[in-house]
Amino acid sequence: DTEVTQTPKHLVMGMTNKKSLKCEQHMGHRAMYWYKQKAKKPPELMFVYSYEKLSINESVPSRFSPECPNSSLLNLHLHALQPEDSALYLCASSQPGQLNSGNTIYFGEGSWLTVV
Amino acid sequence: GESVGLHLPTLSVQEGDNSIINCAYSNSASDYFIWYKQESGKGPQFIIDIRSNMDKRQGQRVTVLLNKTVKHLSLQIAATQPGDSAVYFCAENGLWGSARQLTFGSGTQLTVLP
Repeated sequence: DTEVTQTPKHLVMGMTNKKSLKCEQHMGHRAMYWYKQKAKKPPELMFVYSYEKLSINESVPSRFSPECPNSSLLNLHLHALQPEDSALYLCASSQPGQLNSGNTIYFGEGSWLTVV
Repeated sequence: GESVGLHLPTLSVQEGDNSIINCAYSNSASDYFIWYKQESGKGPQFIIDIRSNMDKRQGQRVTVLLNKTVKHLSLQIAATQPGDSAVYFCAENGLWGSARQLTFGSGTQLTVLP
């Protein structure tokens, strides 16, 4: 069982709604990630937080707004999304720095988002 | 650019047989690889990893082989069981912008036949 907990598991929202996805981990990890996964595709990195600071932000649309309130929590605020944003949103965590055996990335079960 | 690819999108095996899932990578500087299993409706689950200073690593019923010469790694599952049916992703700790981040291959759907 994963130690990364995501809520809600399913979310349906309209294009004018504002909603948030939440993630929590209690492994003492100080790096947390948001990935987006479309059906039958691999996960794609959206945001990386390291020591509660946004360290990597690819050119993700501003309608996605991440927040890291503390070392164990990660939020993804959603506003004015498009139907093509419907996907599985995965949260993950690790220790910061170089990944290797002993420091790998663990994923939550994801939040299924449908934009109507 | 850097990429992590898989040879086959689907693989069907008989229950009890061994499964081999292959993955090719293009960045010779890649130094760490992970195999994840993703069941339908769930997040990726860590299976096994390997560093570039190793050729082989074994876990419970799984073995990962790394061939740096041809930039290829494989996941071997012994005595495949119905519960092994899932999509398997290899992932590379590659460069993403100015930092190293996890990059996933396209995935192989493993189906275990009764």
